[in-house]
Amino acid sequence: SQQGEEDPQALSIQEGENATMNCSYKTSINNLQWYRQNSGRGLVHLILIRSNEREKHSGRLRVTLDTSKKSSSLLITASRAADTASYFCATDEGGGSNYKLTFGKGTLLTVNP
Amino acid sequence: SAVISQKPSRDICQRGTSLTIQCQVDSQVTMMFWYRQQPGQSLTLIATANQGSEATYESGFVIDKFPISRPNLTFSTLTVSNMSPEDSSIYLCSVEGLAGVYYNEQFFGPGTRLTVL
Repeated sequence: SQQGEEDPQALSIQEGENATMNCSYKTSINNLQWYRQNSGRGLVHLILIRSNEREKHSGRLRVTLDTSKKSSSLLITASRAADTASYFCATDEGGGSNYKLTFGKGTLLTVNP
Repeated sequence: SAVISQKPSRDICQRGTSLTIQCQVDSQVTMMFWYRQQPGQSLTLIATANQGSEATYESGFVIDKFPISRPNLTFSTLTVSNMSPEDSSIYLCSVEGLAGVYYNEQFFGPGTRLTVL
């Protein structure tokens, strides 16, 4: 079953605006990761935040994690047309040989020039 | 990070046939994963392929339909057997555990887009 659930499912904004996507999950995690996928291609890893971290930055990306609410958010500031893509959160489950990622349904972001 | 390649990048196949997808990594990794992404959907894990052991399949996926090989630490194959149109998807491999460090990022290959007629 899908552990991560993103909202909104689709988001359309103008270039220069900020985009916020949210992810909720159900069980305890070691880390949560965000990925980007352009038009059915491979996934690009954006950022990983560990369960003992609350906020992380990478360039125009800001990720927060609230383990008490089992939720995370991805903020893209000053968006560009090139940011148009699907964004997925993924949570890890298990450990050792049972380690795996479970992906949410994704948010389709459209940035209009 | 790791550089991961997949072959073929895309294929169109007839129902009832089989296709083997290759995944090559430029460094040794312990854990490799195979995912399926159906049109407009998220990624679903098919199986985990660790070198030296049998692949571990997720619920809904069986070895007869998706046999996997993992002959060494840099290579794996996934075969989609006896294909039907419902198998039309993007198939992606990913790796984790670079340099023996775990619980870090998974890196993905570019995917194989499969269409079954």
